[in-house]
Amino acid sequence: DTGVSQDPRHKITKRGQNVTFRCDPISEHNRLYWYRQTLGQGPEFLTYFQNEAQLEKSRLLSDRFSAERPKGSFSTLEIQRTEQGDSAMYLCAGDSQSTDTQYFGPGTRLTVL
Amino acid sequence: QKEVEQNSGPLSVPEGAIASLNCTYSDRGSQSFFWYRQYSGKSPELIMFIYSNGDKEDGRFTAQLNKASQYVSLLIRDSQPSDSATYLCAVNTGRRALTFGSGTRLQVQP
Repeated sequence: DTGVSQDPRHKITKRGQNVTFRCDPISEHNRLYWYRQTLGQGPEFLTYFQNEAQLEKSRLLSDRFSAERPKGSFSTLEIQRTEQGDSAMYLCAGDSQSTDTQYFGPGTRLTVL
Repeated sequence: QKEVEQNSGPLSVPEGAIASLNCTYSDRGSQSFFWYRQYSGKSPELIMFIYSNGDKEDGRFTAQLNKASQYVSLLIRDSQPSDSATYLCAVNTGRRALTFGSGTRLQVQP
């Protein structure tokens, strides 16, 4: 158990609906990352935060996606107007400047019908 | 060319054998290298990390790095059926985000 938690673990939604996922890293993780993983592929980077600042966003993060980390602790990832192509595992990871190694939470599996 | 390449497998080895998993990367500026294990339906779990050329051992696992050849490998000694999983190679190219390969599926036959 890495101590990184994600909620919900599974989400089924209909195309066009909005969904929001939450990630809670451990307190030592001043950096927090979001990745997306589809079947048969490795995780793909979406965005990352250092404390509350969003420092990098991938081209994969279309304008339908938004992420926040308002107090530098938990983070949320929202997808608006979901599409079937958004179906994937959404992974959150945390690391700290002292370890520089990323530890993943259990992930949120999204299915868009 | 993909930034991080792995053979998708499956790599099948008998129980007790050495499993050798390989990964090549394209960015010569890559600084740190990670191996994650992922069971079906679960999230990646960190197994090893290596920063310098040479070998790094941790229990039954050995990571090997050759920056000149842009090659990193993971050896699993005394393979067990519980080692059956997908092994993901990840590279830090100097950005904070990791770049992952597609993974190699390992099957350890009892």
